[in-house]
Amino acid sequence: GEDVEQSLFLSVREGDSSVINCTYTDSSSTYLYWYKQEPGAGLQLLTYIFSNMDMKQDQRLTVLLNKKDKHLSLRIADTQTGDSAIYFCAESRTSGTYKYIFGTGTRLKVLA
Amino acid sequence: EPEVTQTPSHQVTQMGQEVILRCVPISNHLYFYWYRQILGQKVEFLVSFYNNEISEKSEIFDDQFSVERPDGSNFTLKIRSTKLEDSAMYFCATTGTGVYNEQFFGPGTRLTVL
Repeated sequence: GEDVEQSLFLSVREGDSSVINCTYTDSSSTYLYWYKQEPGAGLQLLTYIFSNMDMKQDQRLTVLLNKKDKHLSLRIADTQTGDSAIYFCAESRTSGTYKYIFGTGTRLKVLA
Repeated sequence: EPEVTQTPSHQVTQMGQEVILRCVPISNHLYFYWYRQILGQKVEFLVSFYNNEISEKSEIFDDQFSVERPDGSNFTLKIRSTKLEDSAMYFCATTGTGVYNEQFFGPGTRLTVL
């Protein structure tokens, strides 16, 4: 199957950490991505992780990958109001057409 | 920094009319995609295009849809006879042969079918 699931909403206070979760079903997925979408805007790549990695850190962002459980998470440290957006995880493979399968999206609301 | 551009940013059309959405890929990219996002929903894959032919298409991409790269630069998505349910944001994406397959997305075209 090609389902990628995410929880729909997350609300955090400014300065706290946010953790956005994603589960996928395709064990042949090789690259996993996190995209941010602000209201009325396009898709902005935040970070990605290759499936042979467990963790990747990039400034305030930490990506954790549990291949056994097919679970991906994005942690945003010191969440700011500007982080309020919809976050999509996406998966692709290194073969074939490299199409992305997107998750359902998580709407993050940061409270001041 | 090179970017993918799309025109128009917003297209309003009557049901049954044909629309053409245009995308200018990043110049050395080889793979091209269209995705759509119905308001409030997730981004869905429509079609991928490589070497001047469709390499994969989804169930959404029926006979009403077509893609082409007529002049070696623009990459177009045509909807022959639009339906109300075609109203969505359409994103073009392109990728080269980068190590991590990053797709570069355009800003999108919002299609409204009345």
